[in-house]
Amino acid sequence: NAGVMQNPRHLVRRRGQEARLRCSPMKGHSHVYWYRQLPEEGLKFMVYLQKENIIDESGMPKERFSAEFPKEGPSILRIQQVVRGDSAAYFCASSPGRADYEQYFGPGTRLTVT
Amino acid sequence: SQKIEQNSEALNIQEGKTATLTCNYTNYSPAYLQWYRQDPGRGPVFLLLIRENEKEKRKERLKVTFDTTLKQSLFHITASQPADSATYLCASDQAGTALIFGKGTTLSVSS
Repeated sequence: NAGVMQNPRHLVRRRGQEARLRCSPMKGHSHVYWYRQLPEEGLKFMVYLQKENIIDESGMPKERFSAEFPKEGPSILRIQQVVRGDSAAYFCASSPGRADYEQYFGPGTRLTVT
Repeated sequence: SQKIEQNSEALNIQEGKTATLTCNYTNYSPAYLQWYRQDPGRGPVFLLLIRENEKEKRKERLKVTFDTTLKQSLFHITASQPADSATYLCASDQAGTALIFGKGTTLSVSS
């Protein structure tokens, strides 16, 4: 059973470009979470999605960031007009139920904005 | 605001000893706490979950406690090994949807 997959593993973007991060949850999991981790900081929740629905986006910056989890295909975290402060590791996790189930994390995408 | 804190950034112990990591929470009452392990450059890996009505949970050499009076969880690794060296993260529910994480404690076990 393949684990959570994220791609790309490393992404370099110039300021002003768009970044698209993809996450394929574990088979059978319909709950997806995105987190951001900055150096020397903990994991920060961004958004929680189920298939075709955003359940909680309270941790997502109001501008430039968006997320989706379509009926078919991976979940996408999209960052428009990236700035240097967006450089971080972005992790996706999936679970078979709501947050009181353990979460299975992907390897992360390391975004570098130059 | 809800806070979850792991007071020690780093913990160094000798092989064979018991490592004890602390997680404290303030301004809320989580329904459960989770512990994860994270190695450099990798995503966190789930270890244990303990609910508010459980005092203690064990899994092999791992033990976690949940004290709602002290608002604290303790995570123990007995007979520690160099392979246990990693960062350990404490997490709890946030309004029933997502997890909030502590900053982690980096454990180093020397042989």
